[in-house]
Amino acid sequence: KAGVTQTPRYLIKTRGQQVTLSCSPISGHRSVSWYQQTPGQGLQFLFEYFSETQRNKGNFPGRFSGRQFSNSRSEMNVSTLELGDSALYLCASSLGGTSAEAFFGQGTRLTVV
Amino acid sequence: TQLLEQSPQFLSIQEGENLTVYCNSSSVFSSLQWYRQEPGEGPVLLVTVVTGGEVKKLKRLTFQFGDARKDSSLHITAAQPGDTGLYLCAGPGGAGGTSYGKLTFGQGTILTVHP
Repeated sequence: KAGVTQTPRYLIKTRGQQVTLSCSPISGHRSVSWYQQTPGQGLQFLFEYFSETQRNKGNFPGRFSGRQFSNSRSEMNVSTLELGDSALYLCASSLGGTSAEAFFGQGTRLTVV
Repeated sequence: TQLLEQSPQFLSIQEGENLTVYCNSSSVFSSLQWYRQEPGEGPVLLVTVVTGGEVKKLKRLTFQFGDARKDSSLHITAAQPGDTGLYLCAGPGGAGGTSYGKLTFGQGTILTVHP
């Protein structure tokens, strides 16, 4: 059974640009959550999608957005990049029911210069 | 606000030693999960504990969930260099509102096992 796939693995962008990250969840999983991980803040929750609907959102500015497609694949977009957006962005998939078990992808390392 | 406090933050030990990592909260969690993460990779789920007082063993790793479901511990027996990594505890939910798909993470414990 394939795991969670995130693309690309690495990205270098310039301040002010925008970026789109992709996540393919485990087959059969309908919930996709996104996290930002930095050395100072640890893992911070961005948002969660289930059946193409955003059900939950963390405390991040509106520059961070996402969506989910009918096949459960998800994308997140960051517009007007800032240096502080440099981080490891992680996607986690789960069944979306009462179980909290989440399975993470390898992440996308975003560097903003 | 549901917070998870992990201790210690750093742990540097010799191969063969035992160690315990703690994860504490003032809030009750319906379950807690432990993850291990290597540099540049995503966290890998080790175990989920659900019942207060539950003890789960995974080879040399023993996980315990507190009776009141507010704390958990991870004990490693005879640590090996391959155990080196960042250990994270996590629980569902967070400050206010719905907890859908949201895990609250502890700050993590960086474990280094020297040969």
